[in-house]
Formats: sequence, C-alpha cells, structure tokens
Amino acid sequence: DAGVIQSPRHEVTEMGQEVTLRCKPISGHNSLFWYRQTMMRGLELLIYFNNNVPIDDSGMPEDRFSAKMPNASFSTLKIQPSEPRDSAVYFCASSTNTEAFFGQGTRLTVV
Amino acid sequence: AQSVTQLGSHVSVSEGALVLLRCNYSSSVPPYLFWYVQYPNQGLQLLLKYTTGATLVKGINGFEAEFKKSETSFHLTKPSAHMSDAAEYFCAVSGGGANSKLTFGKGITLSVRP
Repeated sequence: DAGVIQSPRHEVTEMGQEVTLRCKPISGHNSLFWYRQTMMRGLELLIYFNNNVPIDDSGMPEDRFSAKMPNASFSTLKIQPSEPRDSAVYFCASSTNTEAFFGQGTRLTVV
Repeated sequence: AQSVTQLGSHVSVSEGALVLLRCNYSSSVPPYLFWYVQYPNQGLQLLLKYTTGATLVKGINGFEAEFKKSETSFHLTKPSAHMSDAAEYFCAVSGGGANSKLTFGKGITLSVRP
C-alpha cells in the first residue's frame, strides 16, 4: 500500500480564496482524521470520521472550514474564504482502531 | 476524555548518551498509548505502541517505552543516542476501539550533540 496520500504537498494562495485539501486513506482503514500543525498550537485534531461519518468536528475552528468524506477512499478539507492565520501544515491520517498512519501533509501558506 | 503532558519542549543529549523523553497521560478508560517521531518536513511515523499485555514495548530504531499505570506514565527511552535520532517526538493517547481518536502532547524536540 502507498500509505496515506495527500495533495497538494504545498499550496500558496491569496487571502479570500477557496482552498481544498485532499486525502486518500489506506485501503481498509475505517477511521480518518484531519490535523493541523502550527508552531504556536502544535498538533490539533480538526475532525475525524468513522466509516465515512463525521464523529467529532469540535476542533474545526470556524464555519470557514468544512470536511467531507463521500466514500471510504477519499476525503476533502475545504477552507473558504482562506485567511493568513490558516497558514499551517495540514495532516490527514487513517486507522483501523489502533494506531494512526499519517500522510506527508499539505503545507498551506495564505498571503 | 484523554490528555497527554510532555514537560519541556527541548531535550539535548550527546551522541551515545541515554535518551529519556517523558510522557504522562490522563484517560477515563484503559488507554492505548503511542510514541510518534517527526523528521523535518515529514509526516508523523509510529515508533511504538502499547495496547494491552506486556507493559514494556519495543519499537523501531532501538526505542522502547514502559507503561506504568500507577504513575500514568509512558516514558520513551533509548540506551544510546545517534545523530539520526534528532527529530520531534510526540506522545499520544486514545481510548482504543471505536473511540480511536488520538490526542497528542505538544511534542519534544530532541537534539543530539556530536
């Protein structure tokens, strides 16, 4: 298996633009997580899905953030409109109820 | 609910010296415990995990950790540090099973001096 695949690896966008981050989890994993990592706040769980259903989105910072998992092999995290304070590395991870396996992350810069 | 405390943000050791990274957890259910390593510009990689059974667990790259329920601790050790161990280390806890949300500590940066 190629592991968790995230795209793009890097994204630079202007404030106010819509940004969509994509994730392909490991085949057979039933849980998917979106994390955000910054120097100031460390690793924050934004949302997680179990069997494609959102279980806990309490970490989503505000209504500008939304996440979907239309099927077991794909998830998106959307920010609309983006702001400079959204600049961070966004990680997707998947698991089968024990350890989580992480993607390489998307480094988002909003200017 | 679960939480993890990793005291300090930076540890520096000499090459060949013992590595000890501390982790304390809080959990309302029997915990699953994990250590992850993150190298620059990379995702997190699992070093080792404790779910049930033997409390001393061995991981990759010569690391090991011991689950001590009485101390609510899961400290990470390695007898002899190598330059390639320089990275950021995260301790994490989950409730396991259907409640598999991982809660991470703030991480510790390990530096290794030649």
